[in-house]
Amino acid sequence: EAQVTQNPRYLITVTGKKLTVTCSQNMNHEYMSWYRQDPGLGLRQIYYSMNVEVTDKGDVPEGYKVSRKEKRNFPLILESPSPNQTSLYFCASTPGLAGGARTQYFGPGTRLTVL
Amino acid sequence: AQSVSQHNHHVILSEAASLELGCNYSYGGTVNLFWYVQYPGQHLQLLLKYFSGDPLVKGIKGFEAEFIKSKFSFNLRKPSVQWSDTAEYFCAVLSGGYQKVTFGTGTKLQVIP
Repeated sequence: EAQVTQNPRYLITVTGKKLTVTCSQNMNHEYMSWYRQDPGLGLRQIYYSMNVEVTDKGDVPEGYKVSRKEKRNFPLILESPSPNQTSLYFCASTPGLAGGARTQYFGPGTRLTVL
Repeated sequence: AQSVSQHNHHVILSEAASLELGCNYSYGGTVNLFWYVQYPGQHLQLLLKYFSGDPLVKGIKGFEAEFIKSKFSFNLRKPSVQWSDTAEYFCAVLSGGYQKVTFGTGTKLQVIP
């Protein structure tokens, strides 16, 4: 089954404790992205990747890191989480197409609480 | 910078009423336009998309949207809503040929039986 998976789905942590949220897709998509969703703000793009070893900042990259060592994986790293990073996080992947609209396929989400 | 505006934050309708949700974007170049739906507790699902061609796009579950380039708009419509359409709806714009995607802040739709 074609899908985007995220782990963990729920995480409660404390300020300053490094964490990683994993994202994996089995569709051989070139593009992957991370978003955070906050009430009243919609989804905001944190980072995106156009291929292995190619990443770029989205609208809200501060406090986050990503890596793309393999095509299928795009982990989100919070080196020193703070309470303002409490949010719902979504990973998405998109096929690289020569033409046609690039539809994003979303993972199930990770609800992160930083105390 | 690209921006996407969804003017209706919360819409309440009775079943069988018609729906129109507004979406306006700021980018003047080539764009791909999307509407996503998020049911309570679930992730985003694609309703419909526009890339080129016919500006009237039909999606799943009876939804459609019209791209009006001169107005920078991509409004979502449904002639007759059902209780099961209760969800949050997001408009999104992909611009610049890369994965720079901007979402609107969302519209919560509540359909009353």
